[in-house]
Amino acid sequence: LAKTTQPISMDSYEGQEVNITCSHNNIATNDYITWYQQFPSQGPRFIIQGYKTKVTNEVASLFIPADRKSSTLSLPRVSLSDTAVYYCLVGEVNTGRRALTFGSGTRLQVQP
Amino acid sequence: SAVISQKPSRDICQRGTSLTIQCQVDSQVTMMFWYRQQPGQSLTLIATANQGSEATYESGFVIDKFPISRPNLTFSTLTVSNMSPEDSSIYLCSARGGSGANVLTFGAGSRLTVL
Repeated sequence: LAKTTQPISMDSYEGQEVNITCSHNNIATNDYITWYQQFPSQGPRFIIQGYKTKVTNEVASLFIPADRKSSTLSLPRVSLSDTAVYYCLVGEVNTGRRALTFGSGTRLQVQP
Repeated sequence: SAVISQKPSRDICQRGTSLTIQCQVDSQVTMMFWYRQQPGQSLTLIATANQGSEATYESGFVIDKFPISRPNLTFSTLTVSNMSPEDSSIYLCSARGGSGANVLTFGAGSRLTVL
């Protein structure tokens, strides 16, 4: 399975840009990279998904280098409401069990 | 993307009893899953709920303890059988396919406390 490694926790302040990096050294050719956000007492929520280079949506950007062995979730100008746990998942999106495996996640704490 | 409703949202149960959690999706989905999340921990996949056939369980989870049903493309149940305090956890239903084809959508979870 494509094991993922993320920092356990990160701290930031409101208005700053936050970058969370996920390592996935044994990513396979058909694997996508998907990030989820989880608030307390809620299920995880999809943030962004990519295969290579850069993907941007209204919430975040995802940067994937050419070798795809890592990826970086970028949250621009965070607010207190971005305090959550962020999970990086790697795997085939339609059939792969690996795309179902959650690692330890990164607990982001945003301070005023 | 699909909207998932789970019930109960929380319950307090006695040791030795069983509880069934229901998961309803507002649209037809290809795949449904059940996860467990203990407080402060990550999510652990229990099983894939297969429509019209037996669920596929992950290592460490067995059908006798966690029987699962999926009678159609929008509904599934998870039963936690013969509960002990170690089963106190949050149980989450998830789905993939349908309008949110390539990503997982989650319910809010069912928080079980076993006394």
